[in-house]
Amino acid sequence: DVKVTQSSRYLVKRTGEKVFLECVQDMDHENMFWYRQDPGLGLRLIYFSYDVKMKEKGDIPEGYSVSREKKERFSLILESASTNQTSMYLCASSFPSGRMTDTQYFGPGTRLTVL
Amino acid sequence: AQKITQTQPGMFVQEKEAVTLDCTYDTSDPSYGLFWYKQPSSGEMIFLIYQGSYDQQNATEGRYSLNFQKARKSANLVISASQLGDSAMYFCAMREIAGANSKLTFGKGITLSVRP
Repeated sequence: DVKVTQSSRYLVKRTGEKVFLECVQDMDHENMFWYRQDPGLGLRLIYFSYDVKMKEKGDIPEGYSVSREKKERFSLILESASTNQTSMYLCASSFPSGRMTDTQYFGPGTRLTVL
Repeated sequence: AQKITQTQPGMFVQEKEAVTLDCTYDTSDPSYGLFWYKQPSSGEMIFLIYQGSYDQQNATEGRYSLNFQKARKSANLVISASQLGDSAMYFCAMREIAGANSKLTFGKGITLSVRP
């Protein structure tokens, strides 16, 4: 079974702090994704990576950066956390076979509160 | 325009009955894939079912089936014989371009509550 883990289930930070959200997958997947989920807005893609040291902006990258130094690990960084970044953050990974059927496997999510 | 539309505010169903969750999509690509995910209160997104735009038959996976109407651009999820464990949020998603870097676009989700 694919396993995607996230470093924290719940996190509370203060405005202006630098925040790291870590995601690790154990299935040797090339593709990894970071989403945020807000009520009434669904899932929105922040960044994704299709290889080590490669990254691409998603739909809402402002205020975020990412790091992928190793294939299994994808980090989301909030350089200076703000209250409007309070949200649920979901990490996902997938194996890029190139088929339309490739599904994404998700971690349990990190609920971040910025005070 | 939204690519994936899920407009039902919240759905209720009696245990053991069937329920349909609506999803409409918007794309000009002839090749696309549609996905449904379930998110229980624990937070983890669970893949349920997939339908390809060229698939001749509606997809089925156990109690889940997809009512795919291509001309109407709808891909409704049907859950038969609802169980209490089906109470969750359900998301419809679409992939428009196959390939290594293709992304999923998600709808806003629908909350389903199963009554005993």
